[in-house]
Amino acid sequence: RKEVEQDPGPFNVPEGATVAFNCTYSNSASQSFFWYRQDCRKEPKLLMSVYSSGNEDGRFTAQLNRASQYISLLIRDSKLSDSATYLCVVSSGNTPLVFGKGTRLSVIA
Amino acid sequence: DAGVIQSPRHEVTEMGQEVTLRCKPISGHDYLFWYRQTMMRGLELLIYFNNNVPIDDSGMPEDRFSAKMPNASFSTLKIQPSEPRDSAVYFCASSLPGRVAFFGQGTRLTVV
Repeated sequence: RKEVEQDPGPFNVPEGATVAFNCTYSNSASQSFFWYRQDCRKEPKLLMSVYSSGNEDGRFTAQLNRASQYISLLIRDSKLSDSATYLCVVSSGNTPLVFGKGTRLSVIA
Repeated sequence: DAGVIQSPRHEVTEMGQEVTLRCKPISGHDYLFWYRQTMMRGLELLIYFNNNVPIDDSGMPEDRFSAKMPNASFSTLKIQPSEPRDSAVYFCASSLPGRVAFFGQGTRLTVV
């Protein structure tokens, strides 16, 4: 089983739609969780950290379910500029980040 | 801070040639990571350093790959001899202990 698994997509959604991505991880000792965003031909960049109680940043909401080893990202009111690949990322303490393969999102006008 | 700096941005080389990729981490970051990204395999960790010391190189594909970090501000990833299947985007990233990693813009390597 891969350490971090994501649905690769693509998710094609109209502007204004709400879209959710899910991710599962296999290492129960994982302590830190993140969503990164990667635009075409660019480097990955941190979108947001994921906290146990769930957290929100504008139109973006991240949630963590430790019991099910599952992380989610919800994007409300999608914009064309949200089109990118979203990478689920997990770490165990000081160990390197482990990346999922990413979920591709296309927001269509 | 300028962020993580990688060079070259693009490299096209012939099979069998030696390729050297370079990285300057963010000043003060203790950790440096080399990742490789392909469509098939996504982002894979090749090797990482803590305070210039290699900690885990289990992701290095084979002996043709080597990485060094002679000081806190510079690292190289070398492929010798290069093969077409090495074609990928190679990212360098750095971080503080247990913190988010910041990536360089990557080196797009094409081996023909």
